[in-house]
Amino acid sequence: DAGVIQSPRHEVTEMGQEVTLRCKPISGHDYLFWYRQTMMRGLELLIYFNNNVPIDDSGMPEDRFSAKMPNASFSTLKIQPSEPRDSAVYFCASTPVLGTDEAFFGQGTRLTVV
Amino acid sequence: GENVEQHPSTLSVQEGDSAVIKCTYSDSASNYFPWYKQELGKRPQLIIDIRSNVGEKKDQRIAVTLNKTAKHFSLHITETQPEDSAVYFCAATTGNDMRFGAGTRLTVKP
Repeated sequence: DAGVIQSPRHEVTEMGQEVTLRCKPISGHDYLFWYRQTMMRGLELLIYFNNNVPIDDSGMPEDRFSAKMPNASFSTLKIQPSEPRDSAVYFCASTPVLGTDEAFFGQGTRLTVV
Repeated sequence: GENVEQHPSTLSVQEGDSAVIKCTYSDSASNYFPWYKQELGKRPQLIIDIRSNVGEKKDQRIAVTLNKTAKHFSLHITETQPEDSAVYFCAATTGNDMRFGAGTRLTVKP
């Protein structure tokens, strides 16, 4: 398996634009997480899915953020409209079982909103 | 949900010295405690983990200890080398949640 795959690796967009980040988890992993990493706040859990169902989205900062997982092999994190304070590295991670197994991270998407 | 606190936020040591990073967690149901290392510009990767039925685990120069009563766990790196320089994250996991500490930036000076 190629591991968790995220796209794009880098995204630069103007304030107000819609941004969509994509993630393909490792096949067979039932859990998928979206994290945001900044210098000030470290790794923040935004949302996670179990078997494509959102379980906990309490970390989603506001209504501008939304996430979907239409099937077991694909998830998106959308920001609309984007703001400069959304600039961060966004990581997707997956794990087969929550609570006993390692989570595998994607390479991350570095988002810059100007 | 789980809350994980990690200290210190930065740590600088001389090559060959030991480094210790400490984490506390809030949810007594947490039963899996991984540690991740993130090198500059790269993804976090697991370096060691410990489960709640174990008090200590060692892998070469790296060891982790867990005190379930006090709800804290620690990462110990001995004989540090410049390539150990990175950001280290602890995490605490229940069957419903996985939360990370804020990270510790370790610098090993040659």
